[in-house]
Amino acid sequence: GAGVSQSPSNKVTEKGKDVELRCDPISGHTALYWYRQSLGQGLEFLIYFQGNSAPDKSGLPSDRFSAERTGGSVSTLTIQRTQQEDSAVYLCASSLSGGAYEQYFGPGTRLTVT
Amino acid sequence: QKEVEQDPGPLSVPEGAIVSLNCTYSNSAFQYFMWYRQYSRKGPELLMYTYSSGNKEDGRFTAQVDKSSKYISLFIRDSQPSDSATYLCAMSGTAGAGSYQLTFGKGTKLSVIP
Repeated sequence: GAGVSQSPSNKVTEKGKDVELRCDPISGHTALYWYRQSLGQGLEFLIYFQGNSAPDKSGLPSDRFSAERTGGSVSTLTIQRTQQEDSAVYLCASSLSGGAYEQYFGPGTRLTVT
Repeated sequence: QKEVEQDPGPLSVPEGAIVSLNCTYSNSAFQYFMWYRQYSRKGPELLMYTYSSGNKEDGRFTAQVDKSSKYISLFIRDSQPSDSATYLCAMSGTAGAGSYQLTFGKGTKLSVIP
């Protein structure tokens, strides 16, 4: 079946602009995660959604970052007033029931802030 | 000290060689140990996971976990040029946020030379 999809694949934006990144999880997966992969930093956890529960936003680096998940499926990560240090690959993953060991990743959105 | 340490390489081996990739960790709460493969400009692909200590084999890949030493390994037998990628170890616990947040190593870049 179809895997996790993300759009856009690449995004170049000017410093100070807002951006929206989209994630479509695997059909039937109740858990959805966002990670950020920066050069030399590895992957870092941003946010976790599970069903109708309140999301775990503990990994969001600042209040410029927010995410929502509509209808328990598609998710959007929004970065307001982008800064150059926001340049990274933003990866979305989903899992069937929330277990960390069964997370499947999308191809990522490469964000460049100029 | 980072929670998960992984030698970034790069590691270059001839085709057919046995490859050994390793991670060490400091958090004794980690119970699930994953290996992901990431090709350039792609999302991480789950190769295999192991729960607690022990070995797990899948084709040419063998994962080993030694919780007493806080040390995990991935062995690749009969390495192929198509194995050239960055290999990421990841870990999680079983309680609270630790049960769904993955903690990643920074990845080891492997090149298999024909």
